[in-house]
Amino acid sequence: DTEVTQTPKHLVMGMTNKKSLKCEQHMGHRAMYWYKQKAKKPPELMFVYSYEKLSINESVPSRFSPECPNSSLLNLHLHALQPEDSALYLCASSQLQTGWAQYFGPGTRLTVL
Amino acid sequence: AQSVTQPDIHITVSEGASLELRCNYSYGATPYLFWYVQSPGQGLQLLLKYFSGDTLVQGIKGFEAEFKRSQSSFNLRKPSVHWSDAAEYFCAVGSPEYGNKLVFGAGTILRVKS
Repeated sequence: DTEVTQTPKHLVMGMTNKKSLKCEQHMGHRAMYWYKQKAKKPPELMFVYSYEKLSINESVPSRFSPECPNSSLLNLHLHALQPEDSALYLCASSQLQTGWAQYFGPGTRLTVL
Repeated sequence: AQSVTQPDIHITVSEGASLELRCNYSYGATPYLFWYVQSPGQGLQLLLKYFSGDTLVQGIKGFEAEFKRSQSSFNLRKPSVHWSDAAEYFCAVGSPEYGNKLVFGAGTILRVKS
């Protein structure tokens, strides 16, 4: 089973709202990732969690707040977003060792009004 | 610095024709190489990966890729394209020097004409 699930599929929020994106995997992977993807662009790495600890933050604005409650779950808390944050947000997971393939979820399409 | 180049932004092929998508990388160490496919509005699906060993790698959906160290290339091929292969294809590269980070190419959009 190589499935990563993400909820919700679509999210529309205002600039003053607080919302959360959720990601789950049951492959026993100990590395989990958040990516942002704008239209016609490759995914851009935002955060990496290794063994439930934040290991990489690609200088992401603080209005994005990741959380890894356990080895299977990854959340991305959103607050005071800007319209330019509208994008497809992808979650991925992999074995922890370098070189193992990352498996992606279907993404959450976020629109900020 | 590491980089990945996919020289073709768009490629159009006829259904049943062969396909080759190009990928060139620039890395200091032994790279780990991946091809992903993405349908519109969907996540990325792993097609195949190369870590070491046999330089010709077989993947899902009838795709294969060949690692050529001398040319720093990892081109994706398929002998006969189906209309359902129309999508965007991303080449990605990782390296022990950079931990779990992948560098993605800009992508190639494949159109299939009937």
